[in-house]
Amino acid sequence: GAGVSQTPSNKVTEKGKYVELRCDPISGHTALYWYRQSLGQGPEFLIYFQGTGAADDSGLPNDRFFAVRPEGSVSTLKIQRTERGDSAVYLCASSSSGRDKFFGPGTRLTVL
Amino acid sequence: SQQGEEDPQALSIQEGENATMNCSYKTSINNLQWYRQNSGRGLVHLILIRSNEREKHSGRLRVTLDTSKKSSSLLITASRAADTASYFCAYDRGSTLGRLYFGRGTQLTVWP
Repeated sequence: GAGVSQTPSNKVTEKGKYVELRCDPISGHTALYWYRQSLGQGPEFLIYFQGTGAADDSGLPNDRFFAVRPEGSVSTLKIQRTERGDSAVYLCASSSSGRDKFFGPGTRLTVL
Repeated sequence: SQQGEEDPQALSIQEGENATMNCSYKTSINNLQWYRQNSGRGLVHLILIRSNEREKHSGRLRVTLDTSKKSSSLLITASRAADTASYFCAYDRGSTLGRLYFGRGTQLTVWP
């Protein structure tokens, strides 16, 4: 079966632009997570969905970041007015039980 | 910060040697997990240890947890060049489904 997929794998944008990052979780997984990983650091939690609702969005750094999961499957992370400091690898994970979180390959975002 | 901290930051060994990585944290935890990451992309779950467990084994991996010292260690025995990767500890704080707090990772290099 397919794992977690993320698109695009790489995204280069200019400062001030809007970007959308997509995550396709493993089929049937109700929990979905977004993390951000800067170079040389561990992943940093952004938001967690249980079904369609955000169960914990306390990791979103500011109101430029927003995520949706309208049908409880695919999720989109949206970043408005991108800044150079937003450059990082954005990781998505999904889980059915919580014990095993399956991570996708990530989207490398570069803001010029 | 509630992130864990790994020690050492980098470890370089020869094939066949054992590799030990340590993780410390500052708060109460529910479960602690170890992940592996190749080339800064997707994370692979290795092993989970519950707060009421002291030691766990999985193949060549041995994980210990000392909640009194708020520390964990990951031992990889008889290392192989293919074990070269970054290793992260991550813990949750009360819900297995909830967010994970990651450390900064240990970069392991195994020379053939």
